[in-house]
Amino acid sequence: KQEVTQIPAALSVPEGENLVLNCSFTDSAIYNLQWFRQDPGKGLTSLLLIQSSQREQTSGRLNASLDKSSGRSTLYIAASQPGDSATYLCAAQGSDSWGKLQFGAGTQVVVTP
Amino acid sequence: DGGITQSPKYLFRKEGQNVTLSCEQNLNHDAMYWYRQDPGQGLRLIYYSQIVNDFQKGDIAEGYSVSREKKESFPLTVTSAQKNPTAFYLCASSIVGAGNTEAFFGQGTRLTVV
Repeated sequence: KQEVTQIPAALSVPEGENLVLNCSFTDSAIYNLQWFRQDPGKGLTSLLLIQSSQREQTSGRLNASLDKSSGRSTLYIAASQPGDSATYLCAAQGSDSWGKLQFGAGTQVVVTP
Repeated sequence: DGGITQSPKYLFRKEGQNVTLSCEQNLNHDAMYWYRQDPGQGLRLIYYSQIVNDFQKGDIAEGYSVSREKKESFPLTVTSAQKNPTAFYLCASSIVGAGNTEAFFGQGTRLTVV
């Protein structure tokens, strides 16, 4: 069964620093990997989806990479801002899971002014 | 606005009571999902449906039931058999198939047992 791990569980950085969030998965046979943002008490907002054939995806200050062979994905957020404070979750869709996602527990990020 | 609407935002359940959480989407997605989120944990799949009138159990289906009578709607009932129902419930939808099956989520329903 696919296991998804996010380390660290929490991270605090000063404004302006780059953020690096890690996601690891045990089964490399994935269709895609998706990164989400969750604000307290809210639903999930999709940030980036990387398909299994891709190495990375970019959207504005966000860049996500995928290395299936090592079972890792990394989300980079450039020049962090206080508004980036949230919990970030990654989720892997397996090759036979028909859209079902296996989630990590998330990394809680605080960006201090 | 296209999206997923969950209601109510907050729900309180008495012991022994069944409650139903609503999820409606206007994204024309075939697949819909229910996840449960507990503090400090990732989301866990309760039920999913890939087509109208068909649904499958996820990892933690015990004590829950669903129906899929319309493409747009996928209500979740939390029955009295669910011993620890207090949690944050999230509904999602996506297209069916491989590749770019980006999932979209609603704003969630917080259920509390009183």
